Amino acid sequence: KQEVTQIPAALSVPEGENLVLNCSFTDSAIYNLQWFRQDPGKGLTSLLLIQSSQREQTSGRLNASLDKSSGRSTLYIAASQPGDSATYLCAVRSGTYKYIFGTGTRLKVLA
Amino acid sequence: ETGVTQSPTHLIKTRGQQVTLRCSSQSGHNTVSWYQQALGQGPQFIFQYYREEENGRGNFPPRFSGLQFPNYSSELNVNALELDDSALYLCASTLRDGGQETQYFGPGTRLLVL
Repeated sequence: KQEVTQIPAALSVPEGENLVLNCSFTDSAIYNLQWFRQDPGKGLTSLLLIQSSQREQTSGRLNASLDKSSGRSTLYIAASQPGDSATYLCAVRSGTYKYIFGTGTRLKVLA
Repeated sequence: ETGVTQSPTHLIKTRGQQVTLRCSSQSGHNTVSWYQQALGQGPQFIFQYYREEENGRGNFPPRFSGLQFPNYSSELNVNALELDDSALYLCASTLRDGGQETQYFGPGTRLLVL
């Protein structure tokens, strides 16, 4: 049974700092992994999608890496800004039809 | 903008009632999934529909049911509402393109059961 864990559960950093969010999963046989952002009370915004054959994806200040063998992914945020404050969710697709989500990391970037 | 819309945005019901939530996705997205997100938790998979038939189900009781229509819209129905059904309900449609699949999430419907 696939389980997804995100560490830390919450993070507070000063503006401008580079930071890393961690995601681990128990079954390495995944189809893809996706990082989402969720603002309070809102839906999910897809940030980066990494296929199982890929090692990383980049979009602007965001970089996500995937190491299937160790069951880990990291989301790197460069030069953090107060607008980055949100909950970041990692989701793994390991079956034919569903994503398994972690419980998220609540990020607060202080001005 | 994902092109996936959900209605209503918010809903208040009382225990024992029934509720229908709606989702509309883009043309060509022939797979729709529904998720339940309780406060402070990650979304939990409820079920998925592909070409109007249920294609997989998570650990939810039969009082959670769904429909998918030919026009790429879908419904989530919940009977005999319980207090613990209070959550954000998200639908996601899937686009398959060149062997890759991407799920697009709607903004969600927040359900409160009193």
